[in-house]
Amino acid sequence: AQSVTQPDIHITVSEGASLELRCNYSYGATPYLFWYVQSPGQGLQLLLKYFSGDTLVQGIKGFEAEFKRSQSSFNLRKPSVHWSDAAEYFCAVGANYGGSQGNLIFGKGTKLSVKP
Amino acid sequence: ETGVTQSPTHLIKTRGQQVTLRCSSQSGHNTVSWYQQALGQGPQFIFQYYREEENGRGNFPPRFSGLQFPNYSSELNVNALELDDSALYLCASSRSGGVGTDTQYFGPGTRLTVL
Repeated sequence: AQSVTQPDIHITVSEGASLELRCNYSYGATPYLFWYVQSPGQGLQLLLKYFSGDTLVQGIKGFEAEFKRSQSSFNLRKPSVHWSDAAEYFCAVGANYGGSQGNLIFGKGTKLSVKP
Repeated sequence: ETGVTQSPTHLIKTRGQQVTLRCSSQSGHNTVSWYQQALGQGPQFIFQYYREEENGRGNFPPRFSGLQFPNYSSELNVNALELDDSALYLCASSRSGGVGTDTQYFGPGTRLTVL
């Protein structure tokens, strides 16, 4: 079955420090992978996506992610975290449901706190 | 370009009641997907509507039903509410249903509390 695992429930980093959020997926074919961010009480905003091609993907707000097929991973990175990055981050894989594609299976999320 | 909107923002119901949540898709999008996000969890796919037809369904009972209208807006209906239905309900729209590369754009959600 398709699944997404985000091993870290909560991460705290200092402002200006680098960040890496982990994501592992289970999927039989070439996955469509996404990272979304959710601020408290808000919906989800797309940070970046991977469909094919270059395995290093650039997104908004200075985020990037690297697809590693051998490790079934799609980790999110940012070189220097800002206080405004504090939020919950969700990794997702595009899934098949009864022949239709495109619906998302999400991990449980990683909550990011930023220390001043 | 107007984004995805949802109404109401918050809703409180009692067990056994019925509820209807509404979603207006982004301009140019013909596909709407609904997700349930319980507290502390990631969103779970409920179902998708593409050009007014259901186009996929997750592991939710039949008391969760939906509609899509000719203008591609959508409703999520939940009958016989249970306490576990308390969650944030998210609507997402996209350009072309059922395509894996299609990006879904999310609304702000409706927070449903069942007492």
